[in-house]
Amino acid sequence: QSALTQPASVSGSPGQSITISCTGTSSDIGVYNYVSWYQQHPGKAPKLIIYNVSNRPSGVSNRFSGSKSGNTASLTISGLQAEDEADYYCSSYTSSSTVIFGGGTKLTVL
Amino acid sequence: QVQLQESGPGLVKPSETLSLTCTVSGYSISSSYYWGWIRQPPGKGLELIGSIHYSGNTYYNPSLKSRATISGDTSKNQFSLKLSSMTAADTAVYYCARHDRGRELMDYWGQGTLVTVSS
Repeated sequence: QSALTQPASVSGSPGQSITISCTGTSSDIGVYNYVSWYQQHPGKAPKLIIYNVSNRPSGVSNRFSGSKSGNTASLTISGLQAEDEADYYCSSYTSSSTVIFGGGTKLTVL
Repeated sequence: QVQLQESGPGLVKPSETLSLTCTVSGYSISSSYYWGWIRQPPGKGLELIGSIHYSGNTYYNPSLKSRATISGDTSKNQFSLKLSSMTAADTAVYYCARHDRGRELMDYWGQGTLVTVSS
């Protein structure tokens, strides 16, 4: 099972909104709503920020939102803050009964 | 507060077997959920190795299934990973995490431990 496809990097200025895409196939994102997003700061463990495509765990800022269309999921961060600078990973359940991750996207806050 | 902590050697020789243990506090692993291992090679993405339920049910990534064994010790509230025939390609930070298989997410993570494969 191949990894999900994410852009290597995105950037934005404080206060702006950015969107990170995560492209899969009709065997994963296209058929399951088990899409999650994780935020990872350097040297730290990943932190769950979105699950089931668009749900936020308790305590996660409502500046983070998720969506899905066809085989592509998206993470949008609004009102960018310096603390949002991190790596972001998507994941999805697959028809092979596995969970696969994207290659990660580095967000730079200019 | 659920907390997880990995322990094990930081250096493994090629062809040897890696053994890691994850100690869980704040939640009994025999209550529910799966408990899993995820790894991240330096500068690369995440890979789920597999996970175990207290009942003994296990799930493995097909690409690692032949080399990975995950076991649990409910008396110590721990679970472990053994990965055989280690090569340089297995050099990575290894994380343990709580795996919610109902929603296919990992909601609590350990801090991770770097394992280097080198002679």
